Amino acid sequence: AQKITQTQPGMFVQEKEAVTLDCTYDTSDPSYGLFWYKQPSSGEMIFLIYQGSYDQQNATEGRYSLNFQKARKSANLVISASQLGDSAMYFCAMREGTEGGFKTIFGAGTRLFVKA
Amino acid sequence: DTGVSQNPRHKITKRGQNVTFRCDPISEHNRLYWYRQTLGQGPEFLTYFQNEAQLEKSRLLSDRFSAERPKGSFSTLEIQRTEQGDSAMYLCASSLVGAIRTEAFFGQGTRLTVV
Repeated sequence: AQKITQTQPGMFVQEKEAVTLDCTYDTSDPSYGLFWYKQPSSGEMIFLIYQGSYDQQNATEGRYSLNFQKARKSANLVISASQLGDSAMYFCAMREGTEGGFKTIFGAGTRLFVKA
Repeated sequence: DTGVSQNPRHKITKRGQNVTFRCDPISEHNRLYWYRQTLGQGPEFLTYFQNEAQLEKSRLLSDRFSAERPKGSFSTLEIQRTEQGDSAMYLCASSLVGAIRTEAFFGQGTRLTVV
């Protein structure tokens, strides 16, 4: 069974607008972390934001925020004020605690296109 | 440079040949991961080490694949008798052990093309 699901293969957003990239996850481990990574065409994986399963507040890092809905098992990434340089693949990832051996697994990704 | 380093960046090999990739993690990181990524897909977990111990291997890792991390520092991933289906980007990442919070830092990957 898929542990990380990203249902949007591609998304378009107008420059300066906000966009939400969806991510749902599946785990029975009470302790886990959720991550978002950006992969531009150059190929490197760039860490964006982290949310812990016990964190009460939604994580924010600059223009990135994570809309964490624990009961729904969703961890959507919100990018505000999109820039042309935001065009890239975006991956949602999860690290489980004891059950998952602390390894990180990834979703299939969403390709974001920012239009001028 | 204190990031994760992978060598070579690109490798073209003939089917049936053996190849070996190297990963140098961030020096204080004791956990090291290998992933495989094909075009348009997310990274697929292959294996990971805590120090020199290999803790888990994915079922994706056939017996033609072997990974080592002698002395808990750099790691090598070897593919024997390469097949065209092995063509992919091989990513290495490192992190601190046991901490849910710490993100994995990735190298730039080794792109393998089997012809």
